[in-house]
Amino acid sequence: EDKVVQSPLSLVVHEGDTVTLNCSYEVTNFRSLLWYKQEKKAPTFLFMLTSSGIEKKSGRLSSILDKKELFSILNITATQTGDSAVYLCAQPPSGTYKYIFGTGTRLKVLA
Amino acid sequence: NAGVTQTPKFQVLKTGQSMTLQCAQDMNHNSMYWYRQDPGMGLRLIYYSASEGTTDKGEVPNGYNVSRLNKREFSLRLESAAPSQTSVYFCASSGREGGYNEQFFGPGTRLTVL
Repeated sequence: EDKVVQSPLSLVVHEGDTVTLNCSYEVTNFRSLLWYKQEKKAPTFLFMLTSSGIEKKSGRLSSILDKKELFSILNITATQTGDSAVYLCAQPPSGTYKYIFGTGTRLKVLA
Repeated sequence: NAGVTQTPKFQVLKTGQSMTLQCAQDMNHNSMYWYRQDPGMGLRLIYYSASEGTTDKGEVPNGYNVSRLNKREFSLRLESAAPSQTSVYFCASSGREGGYNEQFFGPGTRLTVL
């Protein structure tokens, strides 16, 4: 059964720290891996990583994909209080139309 | 280009009442989804529609019905609301030509059933 596991479940850091969030996956037919940020509203799309694009960067956020070891990490450098959110990792459908979401990592950045 | 829109944003119902949550997308996506998210919990799929004219059950379909009215619109109906259905409901869509990749979410409907 396809699944996505995220760690840690929660994390508390201070402004300026660097954090690394983990996502491991098991999927029958890998297509891509998605990262979302969810504050107190709907998830917003951050990155999509595919076989042909295994590293993405946007400002202080970056993500890499290791297709061999079946995991991805999301790095946030120089964290700010506005980075406080739940970060979700997801697999697009493979054989069905259902997205598989991890339970998320809850990040809290203290001033 | 509004993306995914949902109405209403908030709703309070009494046990046994019915209501329909509306969702529309203007991205010409094929697939649409309804999720619920309880406090501190992950997203759980209620129903999805792979394409216009088809709907399928997700993980937690009991107590809900859906209608894929056309390619743009996908509604979720609670026939007889129960307190256990108090949750935030998100509609989402995906599926541009060429593949099913990013899924885009609507702003959510916060439903309270008393």
